[in-house]
Amino acid sequence: DAKTTQPTSMDCAEGRAANLPCNHSTISGNEYVYWYRQIHSQGPQYIIHGLKNNETNEMASLIITEDRKSSTLILPHATLRDTAVYYCIAHDDMRFGAGTRLTVKP
Amino acid sequence: NAGVMQNPRHLVRRRGQEARLRCSPMKGHSHVYWYRQLPEEGLKFMVYLQKENIIDESGMPKERFSAEFPKEGPSILRIQQVVRGDSAAYFCASSPPAGGTLETQYFGPGTRLTVL
Repeated sequence: DAKTTQPTSMDCAEGRAANLPCNHSTISGNEYVYWYRQIHSQGPQYIIHGLKNNETNEMASLIITEDRKSSTLILPHATLRDTAVYYCIAHDDMRFGAGTRLTVKP
Repeated sequence: NAGVMQNPRHLVRRRGQEARLRCSPMKGHSHVYWYRQLPEEGLKFMVYLQKENIIDESGMPKERFSAEFPKEGPSILRIQQVVRGDSAAYFCASSPPAGGTLETQYFGPGTRLTVL
């Protein structure tokens, strides 16, 4: 199972793009990359997932490197409500790490 | 389509009592997962169940904790003889039938257990 590494915390200015990196250098060929977020005290919320290709939905974009050893979650226009802990998961068994605490500042 | 429901939302127990946490998955979902989150910490996987089967309980403490997902009714996480260290938020998630690998999980609002 691939282990993920994320920065502990990041800040972002409101209205700017938030780029959250994740390293998953031991990912295997059939393991997806999933991103979830947890807004204070609430249940985690699914954001996006991908295998090889970049993905985009109404919430975010996911950029996966060609070697699949890392990925970046992009929130194109961060708002104050995007302040949360963001979890990157790259294995089959849903082991959440500590995530990145993103703070969006006015 | 109602989301994942958990009840109670808040539960207070005294040391030595039993705690029962319930989770109703989304309609059409047959997989349930339980997680525990201690204050200021990340989510910790506990157990993965399908109807009437425990698929993976590698995250469950060896004693006092049990989980079930019966053919009818909600999934239950049971903690016997609770201790103060069991105080945490317990989240349930569900996912639709799948081919065996990770599927998108939808989380409930959690049950906050406080042990006095």
